[in-house]
Amino acid sequence: AQKVTQAQTEISVVEKEDVTLDCVYETRDTTYYLFWYKQPPSGELVFLIRRNSFDEQNEISGRYSWNFQKSTSSFNFTITASQVVDSAVYFCALSEAFQGAQKLVFGQGTRLTINP
Amino acid sequence: EAQVTQNPRYLITVTGKKLTVTCSQNMNHEYMSWYRQDPGLGLRQIYYSMNVEVTDKGDVPEGYKVSRKEKRNFPLILESPSPNQTSLYFCASSFVGGTVTYEQYFGPGTRLTVT
Repeated sequence: AQKVTQAQTEISVVEKEDVTLDCVYETRDTTYYLFWYKQPPSGELVFLIRRNSFDEQNEISGRYSWNFQKSTSSFNFTITASQVVDSAVYFCALSEAFQGAQKLVFGQGTRLTINP
Repeated sequence: EAQVTQNPRYLITVTGKKLTVTCSQNMNHEYMSWYRQDPGLGLRQIYYSMNVEVTDKGDVPEGYKVSRKEKRNFPLILESPSPNQTSLYFCASSFVGGTVTYEQYFGPGTRLTVT
């Protein structure tokens, strides 16, 4: 069965610090997809990134970067030079590519607070 | 504007009174899904639909019903709500492409309280 673990329940840092959110997953499939979503205080869920299991290249998007390591089943998310607007709950999620069914399993979420 | 809409956004009801939460998307997505979000548990899938008239159970389907009569709509029905269904509910949709899993786009959420 697929499972996603975000061991960090809450993280609090001072603005401009770098911060890494951990995500560890379990799956028996060789083909799967990993996602990160952001949930700001307003409550909506915002898609950040999708990564398939065959693409282990790290990705950078502005101050955001993602480190995918199949050897450790991890898909960590780093925010560089954090800003107050980055304060949110961040979810990591996993989907196995099974007959097109797109079952998304979420981690418990990490609440990130950026203090000015 | 491409979006997923849910109504109502907030609902307080009493045990046993049937209710429906509507969900609609304007992106012509085949896939739609309902999740509930509870503190410490993340989001858990209730039901999903791969296309019109095709629905299936997620991880926590008990006490819920869905239907998919039109591609754009996927209502969530609680026939006899109970207090343990108090939660934040999200509807989501995405494209379907063989074994490719596309990102899901979420509605704004419906906060339901059952007393």
